[in-house]
Amino acid sequence: EADIYQTPRYLVIGTGKKITLECSQTMGHDKMYWYQQDPGMELHLIHYSYGVNSTEKGDLSSESTVSRIRTEHFPLTLESARPSHTSQYLCASSRDTDQETQYFGPGTRLLVL
Amino acid sequence: KNQVEQSPQSLIILEGKNCTLQCNYTVSPFSNLRWYKQDTGRGPVSLTIMTFSENTKSNGRYTATLDADTKQSSLHITASQLSDSASYICVVSDRGSTLGRLYFGRGTQLTVWP
Repeated sequence: EADIYQTPRYLVIGTGKKITLECSQTMGHDKMYWYQQDPGMELHLIHYSYGVNSTEKGDLSSESTVSRIRTEHFPLTLESARPSHTSQYLCASSRDTDQETQYFGPGTRLLVL
Repeated sequence: KNQVEQSPQSLIILEGKNCTLQCNYTVSPFSNLRWYKQDTGRGPVSLTIMTFSENTKSNGRYTATLDADTKQSSLHITASQLSDSASYICVVSDRGSTLGRLYFGRGTQLTVWP
């Protein structure tokens, strides 16, 4: 069982609200990732980080932003939620080595009304 | 274009039966291939990882094979159990970037019936 946690697990929110999805890991991993996954579809990388104060956008354009102030913490923020943001958001982490396995959190299911 | 294609899209089998899931990829340059299991409402969990030089890897009742020449992989599940019901995702990593870019398939949704 990987030591990576996400909160909340489920979130229903109205359009225009600001939300922050939390992700934390206790494995000391330098690399962390955010993926977006719709039902029956593949995971899409939206943000990643190599370490503290390092953040990059992924392949899928996203209106969300991330920060990495501490190694163990990688929160994702949506300033103004819209129905198109409804999806499952998965956080993952891995060791510094390029080919190390990514460990995933349980995910946050977001529904924007 | 780097892609990962999985088949079948969904599969229903009876408890105790065996099954094989397929993965074809066009990712280049190839680094490694992983199979993940994703239970409904959970994050994916790694089952196996194979590099270019490995052609088979087992993890309990799960056996993965890799043919790097034809760019195909399979995941064989033996004596299926109800807990095997999940989505099985094939993930291929390239060697072309420091990120170790991952390419995800859409998964095969396996349902095991009693």
